[in-house]
Amino acid sequence: EVQLVESGGGLVQPGGSLRLSCAASGFTFSTYTMNWVRQAPGKGLEWVSYISSSSSTFYYADSVKGRFTISRDNAKNSLYLQMNSLRAEDTALYYCAREGFFKIGPSYYYAMDVWGQGTTVTVSS
Amino acid sequence: EIVLTQSPGTLSLSPGERATLSCRASQSVSSSSLAWYQQKPGQAPRLLIYGASSRATGIPDSFSGSGSGTDFTLTISRLEPEDFAVYYCQQYGSSSTFGQGTKLEIK
Repeated sequence: EVQLVESGGGLVQPGGSLRLSCAASGFTFSTYTMNWVRQAPGKGLEWVSYISSSSSTFYYADSVKGRFTISRDNAKNSLYLQMNSLRAEDTALYYCAREGFFKIGPSYYYAMDVWGQGTTVTVSS
Repeated sequence: EIVLTQSPGTLSLSPGERATLSCRASQSVSSSSLAWYQQKPGQAPRLLIYGASSRATGIPDSFSGSGSGTDFTLTISRLEPEDFAVYYCQQYGSSSTFGQGTKLEIK
């Protein structure tokens, strides 16, 4: 079964740090790009960060740039998000999501086709 | 950053009716980079449509996507009770963005 399981969330004070993990199973993790997406309580989805399969390319949302770092360990089938200088507005449910690729004719399409159940981060004093 | 605006914010319909959800981009989006997701309370999002119009695995053919450029549409031809949820569009790129969501509720 294809599965993503996040962990590492919790309560942290403003300015603190937290490291999220996402364990992948049931597919060849090393061949997929991965993303972190978050959802503040009662709000919509916000893309946070992207990492290519070989860790050669990274992207971040402006809201987290310079504070969050995405990484992966393909040998351990794991994705990580190091979060520093946390703010109250970072409070959210954090999902990891696989970026699936779909081939139709000569073209490739990409979308987040597998999601974990999320881990909750609360930033509060 | 490309901003996606979904409308309406809330759509109240009855089972059996047709639902039309809109997603408008602040600048042109490649059709290959537009996806739709469904999210039910307490659940992770589920991919419905990729490439603007291709259904993901296991998605019933009552769901269809269309559009190009800046205007995209998700249509549910005949609503089932399990279709009432929140729907998000997403554009994929070096900086992905989601729309704010449309809540489809039972009338």
